[in-house]
Amino acid sequence: DVKVTQSSRYLVKRTGEKVFLECVQDMDHENMFWYRQDPGLGLRLIYFSYDVKMKEKGDIPEGYSVSREKKERFSLILESASTNQTSMYLCASSLPTGGLGTYNEQFFGPGTRLTVL
Amino acid sequence: AQTVTQSQPEMSVQEAETVTLSCTYDTSESDYYLFWYKQPPSRQMILVIRQEAYKQQNATENRFSVNFQKAAKSFSLKISDSQLGDAAMYFCAYRAYNYGQNFVFGPGTRLSVLP
Repeated sequence: DVKVTQSSRYLVKRTGEKVFLECVQDMDHENMFWYRQDPGLGLRLIYFSYDVKMKEKGDIPEGYSVSREKKERFSLILESASTNQTSMYLCASSLPTGGLGTYNEQFFGPGTRLTVL
Repeated sequence: AQTVTQSQPEMSVQEAETVTLSCTYDTSESDYYLFWYKQPPSRQMILVIRQEAYKQQNATENRFSVNFQKAAKSFSLKISDSQLGDAAMYFCAYRAYNYGQNFVFGPGTRLSVLP
């Protein structure tokens, strides 16, 4: 079974702190993603990566950065946490895009519920 | 830009009954994939069912089936013989075939199953 793990299920931080959210997958997937999940808004893509040391901005990258030094690990960094970053953060991974018929669905981690006070 | 709409923020169904969750999407692409994901309370999001746009036959996975209407850009999920374990948030998602891996998710529908 594909396994995507996230370092914490719950995290409480103070405004201005630097926050690291870690994600590890064990299926040798090239692609990894960070989403933010808020009620009524669904999942919004923050950053994604197609390969080691590669990163691309998603729809809401402001206030976040990422790091991918190893294929299996993708970190989300909040340089200076703010209260509006209180949310559920989901990591996902997938194989690269193939031809027609290759769904390459995303596999998700359990999520980290971050509260910034 | 593609968008996915789920017009029912919350739904409920009686155990053993059938429920249909709605999803519509907006795209100018002809080749794409559609997915339904389930997120149980405090648990991991998992894939329920998937469909390729070029396939006319509706996908089925046990008690879960879809009604894919390409012209109407509609992709509804039907859950038959509902069980208590079906209670969850359900997200509809779209991925264009030729634009890499970026999914577009709908806002979700929270399904309650009443005993």
